[in-house]
Order: sequence, then C-alpha cells, then structure tokens
Amino acid sequence: QLQLQESGPGLVKPSETLSLTCTVSGASISSSNYYWGWIRQPPGKGLEWIGSIYFTGSTYYNPSLKSRVTISVDMPKNQFSLKLSSVTAADTAVYYCARIIMGLGIDYWGQGTLVTVSS
Amino acid sequence: DIQMTQSPSSLSASVGDRVTITCRASQGISNYLAWFQQKPGKAPKSLIYAASSLQSGVPSKFSGSGSGTDFTLTISSLQPEDFATYYCQQYNSYPYTFGQGTTLEIK
Repeated sequence: QLQLQESGPGLVKPSETLSLTCTVSGASISSSNYYWGWIRQPPGKGLEWIGSIYFTGSTYYNPSLKSRVTISVDMPKNQFSLKLSSVTAADTAVYYCARIIMGLGIDYWGQGTLVTVSS
Repeated sequence: DIQMTQSPSSLSASVGDRVTITCRASQGISNYLAWFQQKPGKAPKSLIYAASSLQSGVPSKFSGSGSGTDFTLTISSLQPEDFATYYCQQYNSYPYTFGQGTTLEIK
C-alpha cells in the first residue's frame, strides 16, 4: 500500500525558507512510471499546483512561484523535498505531496501538513 | 495558464439523488482531466482520471465524461458520505490547474 507522508516545521517566520519533505513508502521514487509533486491549499481556499520532479531530477515549477521554489529528490531515502524561500503570510497553507502517473494524473496524495507563516 | 471553471460552485441535494457537476477548460485539453473529492480537514481523494476512468477502488456510482473543453462528473444515488467538495484538474499542460471547487451539501 503506497503511503506519502509530509514532514517539516508547522511555523515559519516571514522572509524565511519553508522546507518540507515527503517520505514515500510502498513504492520506489526511482520508478520510471511516476513523478512526484507538491500542491498547496490556503485555509478555506482551492488547490494550487506548486511543482513536480522526476527521479532524474528534472523539475517543473509553477511560474507564479518559480523564483522561490526548489524541489529535489533523495533516492536513497525514497524522499522528495520542497523549499519555498522568502515566505509571506500568503504562503500559509496545507501543503500536500502527491504521486503522479505519467499521462494519468495524480493517484495518491499525502495527508497534508499545515504550514503557518507568522512572526 | 489554462483556466478551469466549475459549475455550480455549490449544490444542495438529497440522499438518493443523482447530481452532475460541470467543468470547463479555457482551451482544449483532450481528455487530460481528473476529478477529486475532498472532505473537511482531509486530503483530496482521486476519483477519476483521463476524464472517464475510475481510480482503483472508486465505486461505479461516480462517472465522468467529456473531452476537449467540457467535462462532467455525475454521482448517482447520493449517500451521506458523498457530501463533500469536488475539484476538477487539467493535466494537459503546465502549470496544471484546478477548478475552484463545487461543494455538495445535504438538502
């Protein structure tokens, strides 16, 4: 059974860097059939695609966040990570990691983790 | 960016009803369309991919259709556990974008 689990600080100060990790169990992050993504949801609002990564390190970032986002993969640990720099209150959201099947979209989501940006 | 517009934004229905939610893309996306169900405080759950294919384990009461720019999600014989918010998402081109959501409430 595939599981994705987000982890990281729940509180980040304005102007600092948000860092989250998604640990994948039940599947190999280096499988050629999948890529791995981050999506966020501000409280009471809709879903926003942040970006995604393939095990080779190839990435796509939403242009609206591109200057601040870095997604990386750690194959030995079967994890992938999100860094979002220079955060503001507008970055307060539940952050989800997800598995994406090529051509078929998201099939599995992590449970999500709330990150609050506040001093 | 491709804009995804869902209608209605909210919908009241009774147990046993059949409901349909629509999703329109601002440009053609072939069948690269997914539907998700989200309950309060929970992660979204994947229901449908490729516009009309059910994810594993999703009951056949859920069905999707459409291609190009216009898509629908139909839920038959509503049960209490079906009352939730539903999102469509296009994955034809980056950035992948979501509809604003349709909240299905008990009448």
